[in-house]
Amino acid sequence: ELKVEQNPLFLSMQEGKNYTIYCNYSTTSDRLYWYRQDPGKSLESLFVLLSNGAVKQEGRLMASLDTKARLSTLHITAAVHDLSATYFCAVDLKGSGSRLTFGEGTQLTVNP
Amino acid sequence: GAVVSQHPSRVICKSGTSVKIECRSLDFQATTMFWYRQFPKQSLMLMATSNEGSKATYEQGVEKDKFLINHASLTLSTLTVTSAHPEDSSFYICSPRGTGEKLFFGSGTQLSVL
Repeated sequence: ELKVEQNPLFLSMQEGKNYTIYCNYSTTSDRLYWYRQDPGKSLESLFVLLSNGAVKQEGRLMASLDTKARLSTLHITAAVHDLSATYFCAVDLKGSGSRLTFGEGTQLTVNP
Repeated sequence: GAVVSQHPSRVICKSGTSVKIECRSLDFQATTMFWYRQFPKQSLMLMATSNEGSKATYEQGVEKDKFLINHASLTLSTLTVTSAHPEDSSFYICSPRGTGEKLFFGSGTQLSVL
């Protein structure tokens, strides 16, 4: 059974600071996804990471994947209030055909 | 980009009634549809997977007779919550699978059962 663990689950940070969210998973995966969810809303796709060493950046967010360590990180640079949301990583179990297993989510609050 | 339409966005119903949720992929064909459920302050949990024209596969602990899934066409899938009870109150999200690496999600349906 695939398990996906995120930490921290809650993160409160000041604007301008940097921080990293971690996502560990337990078995071989085809792909790793990062999503953002605002309260009462559905998921917004942030990144898809396909291979070991993959790094993708969009604005103040950067995601990376280490398949050997079964670890992905989402790094936040110089946080701004608009980044406040819940962030989920999700793993596509190898051969599952895109059935996703989600992490518990990290609730990020960026304070002015 | 791809567009997924999910309706209704919010529904309030009485206990014992049935509720149908529709999910349409507007500009791509979805051979597979995933249905997720999200309780407040929790993560998304996969409920079932359906392939067009065949019966859905349900995850462990999900009652197939309670959550009826129909995937009759490549652009439409429905989830019917039958004889809804307060514990079924949740946020339901569909995710049609097209080609390519990105996965798409519907806007979600907040179900509240009184």
